[in-house]
Amino acid sequence: AQSVAQPEDQVNVAEGNPLTVKCTYSVSGNPYLFWYVQYPNRGLQFLLKYITGDNLVKGSYGFEAEFNKSQTSFHLKKPSALVSDSALYFCAVRDPRGGNTPLVFGKGTRLSVIA
Amino acid sequence: GAGVSQSPSNKVTEKGKDVELRCDPISGHTALYWYRQSLGQGLEFLIYFQGNSAPDKSGLPSDRFSAERTGGSVSTLTIQRTQQEDSAVYLCASSPSRESYEQYFGPGTRLTVT
Repeated sequence: AQSVAQPEDQVNVAEGNPLTVKCTYSVSGNPYLFWYVQYPNRGLQFLLKYITGDNLVKGSYGFEAEFNKSQTSFHLKKPSALVSDSALYFCAVRDPRGGNTPLVFGKGTRLSVIA
Repeated sequence: GAGVSQSPSNKVTEKGKDVELRCDPISGHTALYWYRQSLGQGLEFLIYFQGNSAPDKSGLPSDRFSAERTGGSVSTLTIQRTQQEDSAVYLCASSPSRESYEQYFGPGTRLTVT
């Protein structure tokens, strides 16, 4: 069975500092990995995905994530945080051998960027 | 282009009443998903439609929940005899047919059962 763990419920970072939101996954084969962001009272917005190829994936709003197969991790990063990055972040995984099946999401990490 | 739309945006209902939630996916997307987001919880998968195949209902929490998708487009999630624990945000998503594609989410319907 597929699963995702986001070990931190809350991450606080000062504006201008680098940020990292952690995600580890468990899937039998090679995973497809996704990051989504949810702003207050909004649906989820896609940030980036890893399907294959370069382990460093760049996405929207200056975010990037690094796929690490040996550590089964897909941490979300940004070099310089903005107050507007404050939101709820979800990591998700899909086993591609199952086809276009629902994503399995982590419980989310709330990011707070302090001015 | 138009994204995924959901209606109503908010719904308050009395315990025991039935409710219907609507989702309009992005045109041409063959896959449609319903998720539930409860306070303090992550996203819980409910049901999944892929083209003309039988839906995957494995995430539905009870037989009070059902969903249909008409003409491969619009979907309705129905909750019968609502309970207070059904209070949550119900999110709909759609995607193209290939598994490498991300899902596109609607804004959600916030359901409150009093």
